[in-house]
Amino acid sequence: EPEVTQTPSHQVTQMGQEVILRCVPISNHLYFYWYRQILGQKVEFLVSFYNNEISEKSEIFDDQFSVERPDGSNFTLKIRSTKLEDSAMYFCASRVDSYAHEQYFGPGTRLTVT
Amino acid sequence: TQLLEQSPQFLSIQEGENLTVYCNSSSVFSSLQWYRQEPGEGPVLLVTVVTGGEVKKLKRLTFQFGDARKDSSLHITAAQPGDTGLYLCAGAPNSGYALNFGKGTSLLVTP
Repeated sequence: EPEVTQTPSHQVTQMGQEVILRCVPISNHLYFYWYRQILGQKVEFLVSFYNNEISEKSEIFDDQFSVERPDGSNFTLKIRSTKLEDSAMYFCASRVDSYAHEQYFGPGTRLTVT
Repeated sequence: TQLLEQSPQFLSIQEGENLTVYCNSSSVFSSLQWYRQEPGEGPVLLVTVVTGGEVKKLKRLTFQFGDARKDSSLHITAAQPGDTGLYLCAGAPNSGYALNFGKGTSLLVTP
């Protein structure tokens, strides 16, 4: 069964460094999302992406964050200058089309900022 | 932001018991999704409910969407240790909008 994949599974970085988290959504899906989950807290929406544009973003998604679909398969989340509070699990999700409600999540990348 | 309140927060039961967990909001959702999440992993979609009053069954799991599309429940019949996990509800005001998640119900089923 097709699934969302994410790399790396765990990323450790120093404060102030740039990180890029990668996702390969399900191949025929058109809508892509990033969420994060700080340890012990609920899953929070960051950004949605469709047709090579951001369609919605939350207050968390400030100028330090950016997303890109550099080719036909990858969907990336970049954090330009990481802060300690960016430590979290980051989940990518995808949705097949505008009629579907379901979002399918990847296994996540655990980002640790030291 | 449309808040989703899940209850109970924690539930510990013995194998064979039945249980119901709830997901409530004061807002209307176009759909509600139930996920199950294991520690350190991503949420795994169990079911989506779309129509007010809708009931869906997945083996021993029964999901119901409230008539007003503001709340949902998950009922598990004859719980098994394999049902142990974190159950999350998530909803969006319209199809495709960002999902708002509840904090989850952590279920422990002991043999």
